[in-house]
Amino acid sequence: KNEVEQSPQNLTAQEGEFITINCSYSVGISALHWLQQHPGGGIVSLFMLSSGKKKHGRLIATINIQEKHSSLHITASHPRDSAVYICAVGLGGGADGLTFGKGTHLIIQP
Amino acid sequence: KAGVTQTPRYLIKTRGQQVTLSCSPISGHRSVSWYQQTPGQGLQFLFEYFSETQRNKGNFPGRFSGRQFSNSRSEMNVSTLELGDSALYLCASSLLGDSVGYTFGSGTRLTVV
Repeated sequence: KNEVEQSPQNLTAQEGEFITINCSYSVGISALHWLQQHPGGGIVSLFMLSSGKKKHGRLIATINIQEKHSSLHITASHPRDSAVYICAVGLGGGADGLTFGKGTHLIIQP
Repeated sequence: KAGVTQTPRYLIKTRGQQVTLSCSPISGHRSVSWYQQTPGQGLQFLFEYFSETQRNKGNFPGRFSGRQFSNSRSEMNVSTLELGDSALYLCASSLLGDSVGYTFGSGTRLTVV
């Protein structure tokens, strides 16, 4: 069974700061997902990674397969980025569903 | 295009009752997976269906079951509800499964009293 560890659990920062959220997993995977969940529950899939780096707007996600580690970065953070960010890993082809980290509660203060 | 639709959004049931939740995936998506989210356990995988077949099941008791119809819509059923079943139930659809990413629905918030 894959163990997924996220850090930090909680993060409060000022608007404009550069944010980094980390995710480590214990077993080789086919893909790693970064998800965003706002109050009310809806989940948005931000990135799916199997190698390297992806960028979308102010969000950047990287993954190091050898080290079993991924990071999510937010540049020029804004209060609307306040949410729970969840890392999830999968073995591919529906073999095992997704295993989730506990999430990082991010608050960006104006 | 329409997103993943879950109904109902909110539900209150009494302990011992059963409940059925529905998930309509994005058109063309054949994989539907279900997840339970609670404050204590976080998000946990329940099961995944692909082309009407259950491909995998998480570590939940047999009271939790599901099915998928030929139009890819999926239902999950929980029988003999317990207080601990109170949770946000999310479904996600995908074209093929994990390898091409998921789109999540808004969830059904179930409260068992």
